[in-house]
Amino acid sequence: GQNIDQPTEMTATEGAIVQINCTYQTSGFNGLFWYQQHAGEAPTFLSYNVLDGLEEKGRFSSFLSRSKGYSYLLLKELQMKDSASYLCAVEGFQKLVFGTGTRLLVSP
Amino acid sequence: KAGVTQTPRYLIKTRGQQVTLSCSPISGHRSVSWYQQTPGQGLQFLFEYFSETQRNKGNFPGRFSGRQFSNSRSEMNVSTLELGDSALYLCASSLVSSPRQSGNTIYFGEGSWLTVV
Repeated sequence: GQNIDQPTEMTATEGAIVQINCTYQTSGFNGLFWYQQHAGEAPTFLSYNVLDGLEEKGRFSSFLSRSKGYSYLLLKELQMKDSASYLCAVEGFQKLVFGTGTRLLVSP
Repeated sequence: KAGVTQTPRYLIKTRGQQVTLSCSPISGHRSVSWYQQTPGQGLQFLFEYFSETQRNKGNFPGRFSGRQFSNSRSEMNVSTLELGDSALYLCASSLVSSPRQSGNTIYFGEGSWLTVV
């Protein structure tokens, strides 16, 4: 079966660091994606991990542990515009399965 | 280059009707996937088409169907609409079908908001 878990909602303040966790149990694993989705807009690609370890891309970093079925997205120097939903998605056997997303609210 | 284009953006239908949604992928992309997004369920995979062939299908009833044309444009159809079909329907395109690498990630359109009354 497919199961992806993320916290439903998180809050943080501007300038802070926040870590959004994602745990998964899927049949087959080809890679893990993180997407950002602002309200009423399309999801946009943030990162992709296929090997264990940390991938850093500016203020955003994503970590993967395949043996633990665990990933996290790290957002540094939070800005108000980072308020959005963050979707974890695992590519298993021939399809991409999404978690329900974590809604992040950044306050001043 | 132009992104993924979906039409219509918003539509309202009544129960029992049918609806057809259209998606034009990014130029050169041959894979088109469809997803249903609702507040409680998140993004649910409907199906994926690659080179006019359905590659994979999610766990949706047969009322949900799709097709892809030779120019990679895709349509999805929902027949006998139910209230629970109200959702945002997202189309995504990719150069290749699964498995993907970071250079071949999927790109989403703005979606079609369907309300069934």
